[in-house]
Amino acid sequence: DTGVSQDPRHKITKRGQNVTFRCDPISEHNRLYWYRQTLGQGPEFLTYFQNEAQLEKSRLLSDRFSAERPKGSFSTLEIQRTEQGDSAMYLCAILRTPAEAFFGQGTRLTVV
Amino acid sequence: TQLLEQSPQFLSIQEGENLTVYCNSSSVFSSLQWYRQEPGEGPVLLVTVVTGGEVKKLKRLTFQFGDARKDSSLHITAAQPGDTGLYLCAGDGGYQKVTFGTGTKLQVIP
Repeated sequence: DTGVSQDPRHKITKRGQNVTFRCDPISEHNRLYWYRQTLGQGPEFLTYFQNEAQLEKSRLLSDRFSAERPKGSFSTLEIQRTEQGDSAMYLCAILRTPAEAFFGQGTRLTVV
Repeated sequence: TQLLEQSPQFLSIQEGENLTVYCNSSSVFSSLQWYRQEPGEGPVLLVTVVTGGEVKKLKRLTFQFGDARKDSSLHITAAQPGDTGLYLCAGDGGYQKVTFGTGTKLQVIP
C-alpha cells in the first residue's frame, strides 16, 4: 500500500465526452504529481502541485486537460472532449525526499 | 528536457539466467530511482541511489550509480518468473521534477 488511492481504476468513454479522475493521498503530502503512461513506456510528466498551487504543466497537457488540488489534499484531473489519443494509464504520485515517487494504482482510460 | 534512455527495451530470458539493464543520460541527476511495474498497476519503488559510484544490493538485484551520476545499471542474478515486469529508472534533475526512463520490459520464462 503506497498510501495513494485513485478512482476509478478503469474508465471507458466515448470520444467527445468529458472524464474526471480523482487522486487521494492517505496522508498530507506537499508534492503531488500526475503522469500519463502508454503501454510499455515510461510515465510522462503532466503536471504537479505544491500544496494547492499548480507549479508546472507539461506541453503534453493541452487546453482540454485541467487539474486541481483545491485544499492541498486530493486532486482531480479532467479531460474535456476526449480523443482516442487520450487513451492511456493516468498515474498519480506523491513524492518524498529525495525524489521517491509513490504511485496510486492508476486509472486506465479507454476512449472508443 | 532531461532524457533517460533504457536498454534493452525488451528482454526475454530463461529462469536462472543473469541480466543487466542500463539507464543512460547526458544529464546529471542528484538522485536516481529504480521502479518495477506489473501490468495494470502503478510503478513500485525498488531503490534510490544518490552518490556517484554507489552500489546497492537488494537480494538478487544489484544497482549501481555511475561515477558522474549520469547513468545507472540494474543487474539481476538468477532471474525468477516473479521478476517479470517493466523496469523503470527515474532521475531527479532538480526543480522538483522527476523524469522517467523509457522502460525495459522483462519476461522470465520458467
